[in-house]
Amino acid sequence: DIQMTQSPSTLSASVGDRVTITCRASQSISTWLAWYQQKPGKAPKLLIYKASYLEGGVPSRFSGSGSGTEFTLTISSLQPDDFATYYCQQYNSYSPWTFGQGTKVEIK
Amino acid sequence: EVQLVESGGGLVQPGGSLRLSCTASGFTFRSYGMSWVRQAPGKGLEFVSAISGGAASTDYADSVKGRFTISRDNSRNTVFLDMISVRAEDTAVYYCAKAQLERRGGLDNWGQGTLVAVS
Repeated sequence: DIQMTQSPSTLSASVGDRVTITCRASQSISTWLAWYQQKPGKAPKLLIYKASYLEGGVPSRFSGSGSGTEFTLTISSLQPDDFATYYCQQYNSYSPWTFGQGTKVEIK
Repeated sequence: EVQLVESGGGLVQPGGSLRLSCTASGFTFRSYGMSWVRQAPGKGLEFVSAISGGAASTDYADSVKGRFTISRDNSRNTVFLDMISVRAEDTAVYYCAKAQLERRGGLDNWGQGTLVAVS
């Protein structure tokens, strides 16, 4: 199975900061990658799909990039509503889908 | 508006079985893949299983392969997860989610989750 490794596991940042989260796949997944935001007690919310496409209704401060095995999620200017846990997920057709272990974005 | 409503969770003994259901509305159900994702208490998200819109293709995590079976009834807009030989490590909130495409895609709509406790 394809393993997804996120870094960092925890990130402390302030409102207005530029934040970058990295996700690495154990083998190439082309651009079959999604990013989700999850808040405590809530279901995850899709932010980015196919590595760089912004889901409808998601603020433009969120962006995704990468292909193959290296991917990033960037929040250009962190807002109070963005403190949450973020997960990457690969959905390559020929392998069970897998999630990264998550990155918790905390208030500094 | 897309809605996904899970049911069937509860307390089950180790070695027991359970059937989870997820009833969908607000979209053409047969045209989209569906997935089950779980989250153990205090832990991250774990893919469990997925099924294509026409049910021709299914995928399972290694941790549940041979014990869990995903299926769907497109006439009833419902996807199921049959769980047998459950273990303590299957304890989690189980989410039903809709894929963006017939076979795969980001999971763009999620249910509220149903708790399965194995004890």
